[in-house]
Amino acid sequence: DSGVTQTPKHLITATGQRVTLRCSPRSGDLSVYWYQQSLDQGLQFLIQYYNGEERAKGNILERFSAQQFPDLHSELNLSSLELGDSALYFCASSVEGAPADTQYFGPGTRLTVL
Amino acid sequence: GQQVMQIPQYQHVQEGEDFTTYCNSSTTLSNIQWYKQRPGGHPVFLIQLVKSGEVKKQKRLTFQFGEAKKNSSLHITATQTTDVGTYFCAGRETSGSRLTFGEGTQLTVNP
Repeated sequence: DSGVTQTPKHLITATGQRVTLRCSPRSGDLSVYWYQQSLDQGLQFLIQYYNGEERAKGNILERFSAQQFPDLHSELNLSSLELGDSALYFCASSVEGAPADTQYFGPGTRLTVL
Repeated sequence: GQQVMQIPQYQHVQEGEDFTTYCNSSTTLSNIQWYKQRPGGHPVFLIQLVKSGEVKKQKRLTFQFGEAKKNSSLHITATQTTDVGTYFCAGRETSGSRLTFGEGTQLTVNP
């Protein structure tokens, strides 16, 4: 158990819909990262937040948005869903700024768009 | 932008054989990390390398960081079925910048 929690574990929805994925980082971690992993693919970095502020942006579509709240939990919003958005979405957290700034991954949310 | 490439993409071995995955960066790295993702699981941090030419061992796993700090390798001696999974390298260009993950090497071990 990494200490990072993600809900829901599974999500099945239809094209055109909007969903929200939630992540709670490890206690004390200020940074949250979101990744997308399609079937048998690598980890595509979407976005990073640090202490409530956007820190870095990767290959995140305009239909996707994220935020980090004062209690440091984060939400990833996916809208106008397409079949190709079906994937595993991982959240990771880190202390940020520590000499060994490793990332701790949550169990992921499996999104299926029908 | 920074690119991190990993080869091979897939590797099938018989139990007891050795396995190596290679990671190459388009730019010099500040440090490199390795993660393992078991089938159906999430990536788990294995190790971080920081110094040029650094070699670290974890039981049957040997990690190396190249002299130029642009490449790295993970070698597993005498694979076991518990080694099955996808191994990712992740490089950081400068201290404090975000990690860039490689595509991963998916290892299958036949008993």
